Amino acid sequence: GAGVSQSPSNKVTEKGKDVELRCDPISGHTALYWYRQSLGQGLEFLIYFQGNSAPDKSGLPSDRFSAERTGGSVSTLTIQRTQQEDSAVYLCASSLIADNEQFFGPGTRLTVL
Amino acid sequence: GENVEQHPSTLSVQEGDSAVIKCTYSDSASNYFPWYKQELGKGPQLIIDIRSNVGEKKDQRIAVTLNKTAKHFSLHITETQPEDSAVYFCAASLNTGGFKTIFGAGTRLFVKA
Repeated sequence: GAGVSQSPSNKVTEKGKDVELRCDPISGHTALYWYRQSLGQGLEFLIYFQGNSAPDKSGLPSDRFSAERTGGSVSTLTIQRTQQEDSAVYLCASSLIADNEQFFGPGTRLTVL
Repeated sequence: GENVEQHPSTLSVQEGDSAVIKCTYSDSASNYFPWYKQELGKGPQLIIDIRSNVGEKKDQRIAVTLNKTAKHFSLHITETQPEDSAVYFCAASLNTGGFKTIFGAGTRLFVKA
């Protein structure tokens, strides 16, 4: 079946502009995660959604970052007033339930000029 | 909060040799420990996981051990093959009302033919 998909695959933007990154999780998966991976680095946790519960936003690096998940499915990560240090690959993952295998999408490579 | 340390950052082995990657975690409440393999340009993929009520788990050439007292866990790959070359990440998850997964910084494994 279809895996996790993310769009766009690449995004180049100018400093100060807003960007939206989209994640389509595997159908039926209740948990959804966003991570940030800088070049050659590990995965930095950003935010976690589980069903209808309030999301765990404790990893968001600043108030310029926000995310929502509509209808328990598609999620959008929004970065406002982008900065050069926001340049990274943004990975989305979903799992059937929390505390279970996470299936990752291919990521969105964001470049802020 | 949880912190995961991973060593070594780079590991080079000869084909057929074994490879060992070690991780330590800080929060004794962590109860799920997955290992992911990431190939160039792709999202991470789960290769093996272990829960806190188990000390060891094996799947063909891959094994993971967990020492809860010492708060460390290790990945063992035997009879390494060139296709094992990739970046490997350990992670620790704990349920704090939300469910956060903290990843190690990664180990780049090179298997020389």
